[in-house]
Amino acid sequence: EDQVTQSPEALRLQEGESSSLNCSYTVSGLRGLFWYRQDPGKGPEFLFTLYSAGEEKEKERLKATLTKKESFLHITAPKPEDSATYLCAVQDPGTGGFKTIFGAGTRLFVKA
Amino acid sequence: DAEITQSPRHKITETGRQVTLACHQTWNHNNMFWYRQDLGHGLRLIHYSYGVQDTNKGEVSDGYSVSRSNTEDLPLTLESAASSQTSVYFCASSEYGGKDEKLFFGSGTQLSVL
Repeated sequence: EDQVTQSPEALRLQEGESSSLNCSYTVSGLRGLFWYRQDPGKGPEFLFTLYSAGEEKEKERLKATLTKKESFLHITAPKPEDSATYLCAVQDPGTGGFKTIFGAGTRLFVKA
Repeated sequence: DAEITQSPRHKITETGRQVTLACHQTWNHNNMFWYRQDLGHGLRLIHYSYGVQDTNKGEVSDGYSVSRSNTEDLPLTLESAASSQTSVYFCASSEYGGKDEKLFFGSGTQLSVL
């Protein structure tokens, strides 16, 4: 069964304190690994898609990387506005590739 | 701008009542999805559709149904609401065959079943 596990469940950082969020996955054939950001009271918003091991993508203070078994979301010098829940997801290739399976998320709190 | 709209934003209902949550998208996407989000479980797939007249069950489909009569709408019906269905419900859509196949989400419906 395809699974996505994120750690830690919650992370508290001081402004400027860099860190990483982890997403480990088990899937029979990876079609894509996605990162989303979710603010309180809103739907998730797409950040990145990674397709193959070794791939990296960046957006402002965020960088996502991918290995064969896990992905990391690195946050460099975070600001309070980076506080949100970050969700990792993979596509289930078993039924045409359109089912997206999500992890439970990491809640990030950045204190000024 | 294209968007995906869910209504109502908040709903309180009683056990045993039938409830319908609306989802309307103007992206002209073929694929539409319903998820529920509960603390500790993340987003779990309820039902999904690849196009008009197509519907499929997700991992937590018991007690829910959907129908797709046009491209824009995928209403979610709770046949007989139960307290276990208290949750936040998100509708999402994606472009068929799109490069990223990323999901676009609505703002959610908070449903409370008393």
